[in-house]
Amino acid sequence: QQPVQSPQAVILREGEDAVINCSSSKALYSVHWYRQKHGEAPVFLMILLKGGEQKGHEKISASFNEKKQQSSLYLTASQLSYSGTYFCGTEPWGGSQGNLIFGKGTKLSVKP
Amino acid sequence: KAGVTQTPRYLIKTRGQQVTLSCSPISGHRSVSWYQQTPGQGLQFLFEYFSETQRNKGNFPGRFSGRQFSNSRSEMNVSTLELGDSALYLCASSLVGGAVSEQYFGPGTRLTVT
Repeated sequence: QQPVQSPQAVILREGEDAVINCSSSKALYSVHWYRQKHGEAPVFLMILLKGGEQKGHEKISASFNEKKQQSSLYLTASQLSYSGTYFCGTEPWGGSQGNLIFGKGTKLSVKP
Repeated sequence: KAGVTQTPRYLIKTRGQQVTLSCSPISGHRSVSWYQQTPGQGLQFLFEYFSETQRNKGNFPGRFSGRQFSNSRSEMNVSTLELGDSALYLCASSLVGGAVSEQYFGPGTRLTVT
């Protein structure tokens, strides 16, 4: 039931792009994306709902493919500040209110 | 606006003891969710409270319990601590909770059980 994130880790140079995927075995109602820097709390990035997508940040966007039961997070022209672990949190259709099931995370490192 | 606060930030307990963690949500937020974060399992949902009622519960044993007060502050309690309970415990607040509500996480309480 836990969504699968890929890749597990990625290393980029500043200015490069990255895609992080989140796949579920269940039909999803919503997908949440968070970023957590080492030693800090996760920070909300965006929510994607069935039937639409919501952009939370200028150079970070995401898509939600309901049929494939997956979401992808796109980071363009990466900056050093993008480094951290990215988590997707999913709420399946018919799932309990507010019960987000998180993936294990994708560790992103941006080098100068 | 003040963020989510959690106390204490660090805690060391012995097996068999019990512990109470506290979370103060952002002013105006009525939903508080609790998560356990470990390197092996990642972020796992414990429970969610809304207007003093537990609305949802994750797959954790009954040793884990919580409550929410009328001012939306929440506490979680773990009784009969086990070594495997060592983790970072995060609380997150949101306006109304649910699938469409963004969550704001606190800094967490690092619990070490020896």
